[in-house]
Amino acid sequence: AQTVTQSQPEMSVQEAETVTLSCTYDTSESDYYLFWYKQPPSRQMILVIRQEAYKQQNATENRFSVNFQKAAKSFSLKISDSQLGDAAMYFCAYRSGETSGSRLTFGEGTQLTVNP
Amino acid sequence: KAGVTQTPRYLIKTRGQQVTLSCSPISGHRSVSWYQQTPGQGLQFLFEYFSETQRNKGNFPGRFSGRQFSNSRSEMNVSTLELGDSALYLCASSTASGGHNEQFFGPGTRLTVL
Repeated sequence: AQTVTQSQPEMSVQEAETVTLSCTYDTSESDYYLFWYKQPPSRQMILVIRQEAYKQQNATENRFSVNFQKAAKSFSLKISDSQLGDAAMYFCAYRSGETSGSRLTFGEGTQLTVNP
Repeated sequence: KAGVTQTPRYLIKTRGQQVTLSCSPISGHRSVSWYQQTPGQGLQFLFEYFSETQRNKGNFPGRFSGRQFSNSRSEMNVSTLELGDSALYLCASSTASGGHNEQFFGPGTRLTVL
């Protein structure tokens, strides 16, 4: 079974600074997808960024980018120019590309605080 | 396009009762997945329905069940409620199951069992 681990329960960053959230995963599969979701106090889960395992290039979405290290099974999220609205719980998630279905396996989450 | 909607948003039940939660996916989406979120266990996959068929099932007891209708709306039912069933229940929809399809989450139903 796949597992996802986020070793940082809490992180804080100053507004306009850069922060990196860590995520490691364990799988024996070669085809999979990795995601970062944001859950603000409203509890609505929002997709931040995703990475296909077969792609070597790291995904980027505006101020959000990932560092995908397939051999090390590491998938960190970098948030540049942090804004107050980035404060939320961030979840790393895994989805198999080899078995059918949309099942996501989530990490424990990292609570990000942005200080003005 | 309207997003994923879940009803009710909040629910209070007592132990032993049963409850039905509803999820209406985004128009055109045929896959609906359900997740349970608790402080202790985090986010756990319950099941996925696609074209009215259960596609995947998580490791939950048989008290948790679901179904999907021909219009893709989905319901989940929990019978004989226990205190530990208190949680935020999230559903997510996508156009199809798995692959590149992005999942969009609803706002959740907060269930409190007394």
